[in-house]
Amino acid sequence: EPEVTQTPSHQVTQMGQEVILRCVPISNHLYFYWYRQILGQKVEFLVSFYNNEISEKSEIFDDQFSVERPDGSNFTLKIRSTKLEDSAMYFCASSEQPHGYTFGSGTRLTVV
Amino acid sequence: DQQVKQNSPSLSVQEGRISILNCDYTNSMFDYFLWYKKYPAEGPTFLISISSIKDKNEDGRFTVFLNKSAKHLSLHIVPSQPGDSAVYFCAASAGGDGFGNEKLTFGTGTRLTIIP
Repeated sequence: EPEVTQTPSHQVTQMGQEVILRCVPISNHLYFYWYRQILGQKVEFLVSFYNNEISEKSEIFDDQFSVERPDGSNFTLKIRSTKLEDSAMYFCASSEQPHGYTFGSGTRLTVV
Repeated sequence: DQQVKQNSPSLSVQEGRISILNCDYTNSMFDYFLWYKKYPAEGPTFLISISSIKDKNEDGRFTVFLNKSAKHLSLHIVPSQPGDSAVYFCAASAGGDGFGNEKLTFGTGTRLTIIP
């Protein structure tokens, strides 16, 4: 069964450093998303991406965040200058049609 | 701003009995509802969904009920099995352009434990 792959599974970074989280969506999917879950809290929408541009973003997705689909297969989330409160599980998802989400296993980001 | 609420953080059910997980929402624009199951160290896995034009959707052991007037939905699992032990998230989406860009708003989750 096709799956969404995320790397790394765990990333530890120092506060103020840039971090790039990587995702390989399912190959024929057209819509891509990033969500995050702070420990003990709900899964929160960050951004959706379609046709090489951001479709929608939440208030969490400020100027420190950016997304890119650099080569037609990878989908990356960059945090320019990490803060302690960015520590969370980050989930990538892709979909082919409305509501057909497949989530990746997540990257645990720890900012120290 | 908790638009989707799961008021029970945990639930324990005997194997073979019915598990009922509840979810309430406040945004009347939501028109599609989903349940996801999540194991530790894995991403959410889609379980079952329901459109606002229906009040029930069934898939094997899983049934979702929607009460639009009460803004309430529930997931029934019967019979419950040990492998059902996981965190269950309710999620909702609103309209959108119909081309798959609808963001999901999640509840906080309910940890279901099936007791053998």
